Amino acid sequence: DAGVTQSPTHLIKTRGQHVTLRCSPISGHKSVSWYQQVLGQGPQFIFQYYEKEERGRGNFPDRFSARQFPNYSSELNVNALLLGDSALYLCASSFRTGMDSPLHFGNGTRLTVT
Amino acid sequence: GENVEQHPSTLSVQEGDSAVIKCTYSDSASNYFPWYKQELGKRPQLIIDIRSNVGEKKDQRIAVTLNKTAKHFSLHITETQPEDSAVYFCAAHPRDDKIIFGKGTRLHILP
Repeated sequence: DAGVTQSPTHLIKTRGQHVTLRCSPISGHKSVSWYQQVLGQGPQFIFQYYEKEERGRGNFPDRFSARQFPNYSSELNVNALLLGDSALYLCASSFRTGMDSPLHFGNGTRLTVT
Repeated sequence: GENVEQHPSTLSVQEGDSAVIKCTYSDSASNYFPWYKQELGKRPQLIIDIRSNVGEKKDQRIAVTLNKTAKHFSLHITETQPEDSAVYFCAAHPRDDKIIFGKGTRLHILP
């Protein structure tokens, strides 16, 4: 049974560019959430999607956007990249939203902005 | 605002001894508290969780306690082993669609 897969694994971009990160959830999971993890910190919640609708949003600027597709995969888009956007971006899937559906994380995409 | 404080940031214990990591949360609506273990270069993995209607939960060498009145919860690892070395994150769910993580504790198991 495949776990959560994310692509690409590593990415280098320059300031001002935009980036698209992709996530495929565990088969049968309908909820996908995105997190930013800066080195030495805990994951920071960015978005949660369930059944293709945004269900939650963290304290991130409008440069960050996401969507979920009919097959429950998801994309995270970041526009006008800043140096401070350099981080590990984690995707997690769960069967549904709520506390009885534990999160399963992918290995992340490491984004470096130069 | 919503916040989860975790301490210590770094913890070193002798192999075989116990380790305790503590977290406090600010939102009294939080009612689910998972703990994640993240080894170097790997994904966070859920190791244990506790819901607000329970005061303690144990799974082999790992246990979690919750004090809702004081708004704090703790992770206890007994008989520590080298493979327990990792970064541990506590988290709280103030509502279904949001989770807040602590900043993490780097646990070193000393030989």
